[in-house]
Amino acid sequence: IAGITQAPTSQILAAGRRMTLRCTQDMRHNAMYWYRQDLGLGLRLIHYSNTAGTTGKGEVPDGYSVSRANTDDFPLTLASAVPSQTSVYFCASSEDRGDTQYFGPGTRLTVL
Amino acid sequence: GENVEQHPSTLSVQEGDSAVIKCTYSDSASNYFPWYKQELGKRPQLIIDIRSNVGEKKDQRIAVTLNKTAKHFSLHITETQPEDSAVYFCAASWAQGGYNKLIFGAGTRLAVHP
Repeated sequence: IAGITQAPTSQILAAGRRMTLRCTQDMRHNAMYWYRQDLGLGLRLIHYSNTAGTTGKGEVPDGYSVSRANTDDFPLTLASAVPSQTSVYFCASSEDRGDTQYFGPGTRLTVL
Repeated sequence: GENVEQHPSTLSVQEGDSAVIKCTYSDSASNYFPWYKQELGKRPQLIIDIRSNVGEKKDQRIAVTLNKTAKHFSLHITETQPEDSAVYFCAASWAQGGYNKLIFGAGTRLAVHP
């Protein structure tokens, strides 16, 4: 059992390019989340999904979109990357909303 | 909106000493308070959590206390060891619409010196 996996591990991206960060969990958790982590700011929620087929906006959703076609996958897309999106991105999941969240290994994204 | 403040931002202790990290939250409706440990380059890992129906929870050398009246909660690590060195994050749940989301503190960098 892998838990939560993310891909890629790291990426350097030119500004203006489109990028999709992948997240997959095999725990059959209903809820999934995307956070970004910046130095001194902790973890900030970008988007969330309570269950397959539904998504919602978090604290910092601008410039990002998500989809939840099935229980396992929750990709995060940057339609046109900007340097301020340079960050470490963590995907997380929980059995249901409000439950303990478990984090993936993260993706380090650099936008030049 | 909901806010979680965490103090101190850095903490340095000698091996064997105790370490205490404190967090305050603003939403009196918050009812779930987890603590995460993050080692350099790794993912945040849950180390302990507490719900609002209890005041204290302990797991070996780690304990968390909650004061709902004052809206603050604390992490206590006793008999610290070098492997406790990491960044620790507190969080508080906040209900918004149909979702309970976590608001994280900014983190405390703990250094345990041999």
